[in-house]
Amino acid sequence: EVQLVESGGGLIQPGGSLRLSCAASGFTVSSNYMSWVRQAPGKGLEWVSVIYSGGSTYYADSVKGRFTISRDNSKNTLYLQMNSLRAEDTAVYYCAREIAAAPYNWFDPWGQGTLVTVSS
Amino acid sequence: SSELTQDPAVSVALGQTVRITCQGDSLRSYYASWYQQKPGQAPVLVIYGKNNRPSGIPDRFSGSSSGNTASLTITGAQAEDEADYYCNSRDSSGNHPFGGGTKLTVL
Repeated sequence: EVQLVESGGGLIQPGGSLRLSCAASGFTVSSNYMSWVRQAPGKGLEWVSVIYSGGSTYYADSVKGRFTISRDNSKNTLYLQMNSLRAEDTAVYYCAREIAAAPYNWFDPWGQGTLVTVSS
Repeated sequence: SSELTQDPAVSVALGQTVRITCQGDSLRSYYASWYQQKPGQAPVLVIYGKNNRPSGIPDRFSGSSSGNTASLTITGAQAEDEADYYCNSRDSSGNHPFGGGTKLTVL
């Protein structure tokens, strides 16, 4: 079964750092495009970052320079290192596999999400 | 970065047909995918590609695209279709924006 399980969320003070993990099963992270998507309380989905199978990375302007996406092939796990956290980063963070074959792309499956709360 | 625009809310009578739209310049070059999200749950893919449904998605869900507009159509809406719906695409800069979401109410 193809599955994603996030972990690492929690309460963190503004300016702090946190690393989220996303453990995959049923497929190989390094052979796929993998994304992080977040959802602030009561708000819509916001794409955060993607890492392509070749290693290229892209970020939303809102997190560029503060967040870093990476993967550990030996653990089949995706990460999101979040630094200089702000109150507006408070959200449920989802990881998702992206299937991409231009001009098509889609996210499936999604993890269950992990809540990050940035507050003093 | 590119943006995708959706109507914030749409309603449909039980058993009737509803169309949810998504507009954006990136849709002239890339197809949209569509996601259903119910309260407290992760999003679920409902339409991808030109008009493809993942296993388990009812055939009352369909997708189409024309110019800068992608559409999700539910033919014969059911009470369980009440949810938030989001479109997504990518652009040539590597961004993958979501639309703002449409809250579907089934009356």
